Amino acid sequence: TQLLEQSPQFLSIQEGENLTVYCNSSSVFSSLQWYRQEPGEGPVLLVTVVTGGEVKKLKRLTFQFGDARKDSSLHITAAQPGDTGLYLCAGALAGNNRKLIWGLGTSLAVNP
Amino acid sequence: GAGVSQSPSNKVTEKGKDVELRCDPISGHTALYWYRQSLGQGLEFLIYFQGNSAPDKSGLPSDRFSAERTGGSVSTLTIQRTQQEDSAVYLCASRPPGLATDTQYFGPGTRLTVL
Repeated sequence: TQLLEQSPQFLSIQEGENLTVYCNSSSVFSSLQWYRQEPGEGPVLLVTVVTGGEVKKLKRLTFQFGDARKDSSLHITAAQPGDTGLYLCAGALAGNNRKLIWGLGTSLAVNP
Repeated sequence: GAGVSQSPSNKVTEKGKDVELRCDPISGHTALYWYRQSLGQGLEFLIYFQGNSAPDKSGLPSDRFSAERTGGSVSTLTIQRTQQEDSAVYLCASRPPGLATDTQYFGPGTRLTVL
């Protein structure tokens, strides 16, 4: 059972376009994280959201945590080829033993 | 460096052989995780060590998989009698102590190929 549904799975866009990646669950998370992974490397944390309704911005990336803390989105404005990579969301369930629940990832290709 | 390191970076083995994968976490990090990742896919949880507590082995796919963490630091993931379906990238991550963060810091992974 996949507790964290991530969509789309694959995305190929042209430089300058905007895009949104979604993570959805029926579970409530105490926090949710977004990671980016490049080929041959491990995932690297981009942001952690904690409060329902929270919005965080990281340059051209905007992260939102749903009011009920069950879902999150990542919006990239004016995508660049350097944004290419695998984007992973991961949620922490309150009261568990600190294991993250991982989405399956969104593979993004930004073409020049 | 101060990050998580893993060795070897690549391992090619024959079906039926045993392999050992090593992870050196960030100094002072009390939690250590092993994951498996198939090509371009998400992370499959394998095992979790937290301090001196008994490890959470709930993600190990079979009894051919085992892991140890010696002295609360270095960890070794062992796969016995490897099968072709074991081919994947094995990632290790560590997390600092305390409740302030769930952030995991990843190593670069070991790419395992079973022929």
